[in-house]
Amino acid sequence: GENVEQHPSTLSVQEGDSAVIKCTYSDSASNYFPWYKQELGKRPQLIIDIRSNVGEKKDQRIAVTLNKTAKHFSLHITETQPEDSAVYFCAAGNFGNEKLTFGTGTRLTIIP
Amino acid sequence: DSGVTQTPKHLITATGQRVTLRCSPRSGDLSVYWYQQSLDQGLQFLIQYYNGEERAKGNILERFSAQQFPDLHSELNLSSLELGDSALYFCASSVGRGGNEKLFFGSGTQLSVL
Repeated sequence: GENVEQHPSTLSVQEGDSAVIKCTYSDSASNYFPWYKQELGKRPQLIIDIRSNVGEKKDQRIAVTLNKTAKHFSLHITETQPEDSAVYFCAAGNFGNEKLTFGTGTRLTIIP
Repeated sequence: DSGVTQTPKHLITATGQRVTLRCSPRSGDLSVYWYQQSLDQGLQFLIQYYNGEERAKGNILERFSAQQFPDLHSELNLSSLELGDSALYFCASSVGRGGNEKLFFGSGTQLSVL
């Protein structure tokens, strides 16, 4: 089955700096890569996703890049703000594989 | 609000007991997923139902069982509870069979086994 590894497990960055979280996956059939954000005490929520037919996707300060050859994808947050502090989960999946496989999460702390 | 409803929000019980967690998916969603999140842990997939049938199974213990009813709500039954079962249990739903679509999570049920 699919195996998703996520690094780092914790990350602290100064407010205004950029943050990068990286994930690798094992199943070459995976073609859907979402990122979920979980604020303290809240539910996970999708913030951005990318499908394998594109290499990069942006949404304001958030971007995701995908390297299918190397089987890794990354989340980039620019101009970080205190409200970006949360746990971020990457995941991998594909149609026909009913479940998404999640990474172990990255706790991002933005230092004011 | 994701549209996914989980009850109860909190549950405190003793070892050896049995509890039932309930989930109502978003209107129109056919798949329901159950995840377990222990303290500082990731999202451990337990089981998925699609339109009433079991579709995928994760690391779900034999003491745990689930079902999805004709009205598409789902219940997760946890029996012979142990201290280690204390966790936050999330339900999520999606439109189709999953794998490549957005999941909508409920707010979770915090289970404390004393």
